[in-house]
Amino acid sequence: EIVMTQSPATLSVSPGERATLSCRASQSVNSNLAWYQQKPGQAPRLLIHGASTRATGIPVRFSGSGSGTEFTLTISSLQSEDFAVYYCQQYHNWPQTFGQGTKVEIK
Amino acid sequence: EVQVVESGGGLVQPGGSLRLSCAASGFPFSSYEMNWVRQAPGKGLEWLSYISSSGSIIHYADSVKGRFTISRDNAKNSLYLQMNSLRAEDTAVYYCAKVGFGYSFDHWGQGTLVTVSS
Repeated sequence: EIVMTQSPATLSVSPGERATLSCRASQSVNSNLAWYQQKPGQAPRLLIHGASTRATGIPVRFSGSGSGTEFTLTISSLQSEDFAVYYCQQYHNWPQTFGQGTKVEIK
Repeated sequence: EVQVVESGGGLVQPGGSLRLSCAASGFPFSSYEMNWVRQAPGKGLEWLSYISSSGSIIHYADSVKGRFTISRDNAKNSLYLQMNSLRAEDTAVYYCAKVGFGYSFDHWGQGTLVTVSS
């Protein structure tokens, strides 16, 4: 099983600042990686697939990069609605696996 | 508009069974792969099971293999998860999720809560 490790667990950021979230895979997943956003009481929402392609309707301030084992989600200028938990997911191998999540909170 | 709506959750005793349903609309259901994902209270996301568009290919997480069965009825635009031998650690919100690009999940339902307790 591929283990996905996200860091940091919690990220404190002021509105308007840049946020950088990391996701590491225990073995290569090529570009078979997605990022999701989840707000309290809501279902996850797909942000990024293929490591760097924004999903439909996702604002350009969200960007993904990386391949192989190291991935990054960057939120260029945090808006109030961006404070949430973010998960990475690999879909390179079965079982698909998620990271444990990074909570982005208001500083 | 794409919609997936789960139902069938509730309170069940350890060792019991429950069948979850997911009703899909707004897209050609028979052409898309589907998954079940769960989230225990206060915890992260756990992928459980995948089914191909025809139902001929199925995968399970080890945590549910042999206890849970995924299925679909394309004529009814519905996905199912039969859960047997339920344990306290199966307590979670269960989501159905439609596969988009690659095997990413582009649409999720609102979830249905399953509580396993005596």
